[in-house]
Amino acid sequence: GNSVTQMEGPVTLSEEAFLTINCTYTATGYPSLFWYVQYPGEGLQLLLKATKADDKGSNKGFEATYRKETTSFHLEKGSVQVSDSAVYFCALGRGNAGNMLTFGGGTRLMVKP
Amino acid sequence: DVKVTQSSRYLVKRTGEKVFLECVQDMDHENMFWYRQDPGLGLRLIYFSYDVKMKEKGDIPEGYSVSREKKERFSLILESASTNQTSMYLCASSLIAAPNYGYTFGSGTRLTVV
Repeated sequence: GNSVTQMEGPVTLSEEAFLTINCTYTATGYPSLFWYVQYPGEGLQLLLKATKADDKGSNKGFEATYRKETTSFHLEKGSVQVSDSAVYFCALGRGNAGNMLTFGGGTRLMVKP
Repeated sequence: DVKVTQSSRYLVKRTGEKVFLECVQDMDHENMFWYRQDPGLGLRLIYFSYDVKMKEKGDIPEGYSVSREKKERFSLILESASTNQTSMYLCASSLIAAPNYGYTFGSGTRLTVV
């Protein structure tokens, strides 16, 4: 079946540090891949997505590249800010009638000034 | 912008009460979902619905039921609330014709059962 594995957190960084949050997946076919972000006390917001191999999704300085050969979709940001402190979820989607998303367990990022 | 609105941000209920969590979306999405989120457990799917009056069990349906009488509204019902149902509940919706758009989530309802 489909599954998503994320690195366990929390990840603690200083402001302006480089961020990588690893995400690998198991799926049949070619799913779409997503990163969602959840700020404290809020629901999840779509951060970026990629729908086919070698696509790069990007938003707000975050990037992730769909790597079919390594079944990965790692999230990166060159210089994090305190305001990036949140929980990040990797997810894969299947284009069936239910459009079901499978989520990873989430990674908490804490950025210190 | 698609909006998914959950009726309450915070809710406190007593053990044994019947609890209704309401979710409304305004973009004519066919699919609607209810998740609960707990520390260390991520998001777990309770129920989903792909059409009016249709519902499917997710991974953890025990102790819950749902109602979808209108396309825009998806209600989660706790028949007899228990303390182990204290959690953050998230509603989401999506469009069948746009599988690459993922879900749109509501802001969540933090339910405490005392």
